[in-house]
Amino acid sequence: DAGVIQSPRHEVTEMGQEVTLRCKPISGHDYLFWYRQTMMRGLELLIYFNNNVPIDDSGMPEDRFSAKMPNASFSTLKIQPSEPRDSAVYFCASGGAGVETQYFGPGTRLLVL
Amino acid sequence: AQSVTQLDSHVSVSEGTPVLLRCNYSSSYSPSLFWYVQHPNKGLQLLLKYTSAATLVKGINGFEAEFKKSETSFHLTKPSAHMSDAAEYFCVVSESNYQLIWGAGTKLIIKP
Repeated sequence: DAGVIQSPRHEVTEMGQEVTLRCKPISGHDYLFWYRQTMMRGLELLIYFNNNVPIDDSGMPEDRFSAKMPNASFSTLKIQPSEPRDSAVYFCASGGAGVETQYFGPGTRLLVL
Repeated sequence: AQSVTQLDSHVSVSEGTPVLLRCNYSSSYSPSLFWYVQHPNKGLQLLLKYTSAATLVKGINGFEAEFKKSETSFHLTKPSAHMSDAAEYFCVVSESNYQLIWGAGTKLIIKP
């Protein structure tokens, strides 16, 4: 199994641009999570899905952030418009039903200038 | 409400000496507890987990952790540190519903 796949691994963009982060969970996992990691705030859960349905998006910082999961093998996290304070590492993780362990992707390092 | 406290933001040990990373939690129910490791510029990897079976849990790379309910602790230990153990370690608690509560992390520094 290739594990959780995230793309791109690095993204540099200018303030105001739209950013789309992508995630492919482990096949068969029913849960998908998006996290953000910064030095100041540590690791924060943004949103998670169960069977492609968003369950809890209370961690999404503001309306500029949106996440979708159109099918069981793909999810996106979009930031529009991006701001310098969005600079962080964004992790996607997946987990299987009945198993609490989450498996993390390598992360996307986002820098907004 | 659940919470996790990692008592040390940084721990520095010499190579070959024991490692102790401390974690205390609060939980209303019987929690599941995890330790994750993050090497520099890498993703998060599960080190070990406790899910109400044996209280002493063995993980990868020679790490182990002991669940002590009376002390609400889940400290991570390793008998002998290796240079490759230098990383940040996160203690995590989960009661249900896949919501993980993360500690702030402890940076482990290994001195040659």
